[in-house]
This record gives sequence, structure tokens and C-alpha cells, in this order.
Amino acid sequence: DQQVKQNSPSLSVQEGRISILNCDYTNSMFDYFLWYKKYPAEGPTFLISISSIKDKNEDGRFTVFLNKSAKHLSLHIVPSQPGDSAVYFCAAREGQKLVFGQGTRLTINP
Amino acid sequence: DAGVIQSPRHEVTEMGQEVTLRCKPISGHDYLFWYRQTMMRGLELLIYFNNNVPIDDSGMPEDRFSAKMPNASFSTLKIQPSEPRDSAVYFCASSPRYGYTFGSGTRLTVV
Repeated sequence: DQQVKQNSPSLSVQEGRISILNCDYTNSMFDYFLWYKKYPAEGPTFLISISSIKDKNEDGRFTVFLNKSAKHLSLHIVPSQPGDSAVYFCAAREGQKLVFGQGTRLTINP
Repeated sequence: DAGVIQSPRHEVTEMGQEVTLRCKPISGHDYLFWYRQTMMRGLELLIYFNNNVPIDDSGMPEDRFSAKMPNASFSTLKIQPSEPRDSAVYFCASSPRYGYTFGSGTRLTVV
């Protein structure tokens, strides 16, 4: 059973517009949520995170929103840039473990 | 710091052969994790260690998979015998307490 789900395998957005990536989870015990970015032939790198006691965290062009009642989080990137093209993984923390989703491939079109 | 180092970067092997993947974590990191990336399931945790001791191996798919961490600077993930369905990218990550750093991965192809 997949505790963290990213239902969109891919997303295509025009440069300069907003990119919204979504993630759903099932385990109420998760205490932290994170987004990782992955380029081809590289390992995932940390992008932004949010504690379960907050509903929003912003870092430059990146904002993560958490809706605990819906068990849903989203990553907003605005404005989107060509360098944002990558695979984005949503992750949730349980103790020392991170549980990841399947990933969403974001393509920014010029 | 060179980061988390994995070897080899690519491995192609025949079904039934033994495969050993290697990982050198960042010095001072107490936690080491092995993940497998597939299209269907994304990044799956296979096993993790704390201070060289295996803590949770519930993600190891079968007895064909084994992992060791003989010291703080080295870990191996072994598959014996390998099968085509083991083809995936295997990542190692290390962490001081929170905050993972991933290696670049090993792409395994079993033919």
C-alpha cells in the first residue's frame, strides 16, 4: 500500500506561469513533509519542507501548502523557469524514515 | 566533503548472478538508508542503519536481498541471485539525524 501518493506522473507548464504539484498521504503519524527535486543521473536533493503543525512554508519561488484535514500537500513554483524541469518527489517523515511518493515529472516549456 | 559515494554507477548482469552495490556515507552521519527507484512505486525504502546497526529491513523485498554495514564508512547491498525484476536505480542516502543526502545512484540492469 502506498502511504504517499503523487497521482500525476507528469506535468507540463509554460515558462513564467505557476507550477502546482500535488501529493496525498494516508498516515496521520507523519510529522514532517518534504519535497525533493531530481535531475537525470543524479540523486534527489532537498527542496523545501513543512512541519505538520503549519499550513504554509515559503522559500523564494517555492511554497508548500499543507491541508491536514484532507491529508494533502502541494508545491507551488512561481514563476516557473526552465531549470525547474525535473522529477519532484513528495516525502513524509515517520521517525527517522522518509516515505516517498512515485514522483511527478515537471517540464517547463519556453 | 565528497558527499555520498556509490559504486558502480551502472551495472549490467545476467539473471542468476550475484550483484553487490556499494556506498560510502558522509563522515559523521549516523544514519544510512538504501532506497530503490522504480516507475511504479517511486522511491522505496529497503533498509536503514543507525550507527552501523540495521534498524528496519521491512522494505527488503525478498531473502535474495541482504545489506551490511561493517563500519561507519561503508555499506553494501547484495542481491543473490539477481532477477530481471530487480532492474532499477538503487540509491544510498546518509543523514546526521534529520536531512538526507543522497548519492547519485546505481542503475542496475538484469538481463
